[in-house]
Amino acid sequence: AQRVTQPEKLLSVFKGAPVELKCNYSYSGSPELFWYVQYSRQRLQLLLRHISRESIKGFTADLNKGETSFHLKKPFAQEEDSAMYYCALRGDFNKFYFGSGTKLNVKP
Amino acid sequence: KAGVTQTPRYLIKTRGQQVTLSCSPISGHRSVSWYQQTPGQGLQFLFEYFSETQRNKGNFPGRFSGRQFSNSRSEMNVSTLELGDSALYLCASSLGASNEKLFFGSGTQLSVL
Repeated sequence: AQRVTQPEKLLSVFKGAPVELKCNYSYSGSPELFWYVQYSRQRLQLLLRHISRESIKGFTADLNKGETSFHLKKPFAQEEDSAMYYCALRGDFNKFYFGSGTKLNVKP
Repeated sequence: KAGVTQTPRYLIKTRGQQVTLSCSPISGHRSVSWYQQTPGQGLQFLFEYFSETQRNKGNFPGRFSGRQFSNSRSEMNVSTLELGDSALYLCASSLGASNEKLFFGSGTQLSVL
């Protein structure tokens, strides 16, 4: 079965603290993973994709095939990072599977 | 370049009615996919169209259907509405067949009373 799990519904951290949003996936093939973000009153948008190995807004995510994880990390959280974050897997036939999302709340 | 446009923004219907939602993709994008978003469930994939053909379908009942026109605009129809169909319906478009990057619309908020 192809599935994405985000175990935390809500994650609260203080400004300047490190943040890690967890994502685990289930997929028998070679996974393609993404993080999408939805800021308040904005559209859902792509944050980063594992294939690009990029850092966007200070966020990075490393694909760990052994642990089937794709956790999103940022060393120093900012208040403007507060948003809803969705991990997504592109599986068979280019079908996307999204996790249930984690709400990140960065407190001042 | 205009983004993905979904109409209407809000809909209120009663049980048993049917509803049609519309999505206009970004110009040049040929793939359109639909998702149901509910609190706690995240985004659930409904279906995807590419060049007027349904390529993928999620695990939703047959009451949910869609189509895509030659100009890539897409419509989604839900018949015999149920209370549980209340959700935000999101449409996403992408450039080609590989669907690498999805561009989302603002969604249509459907309330079923």
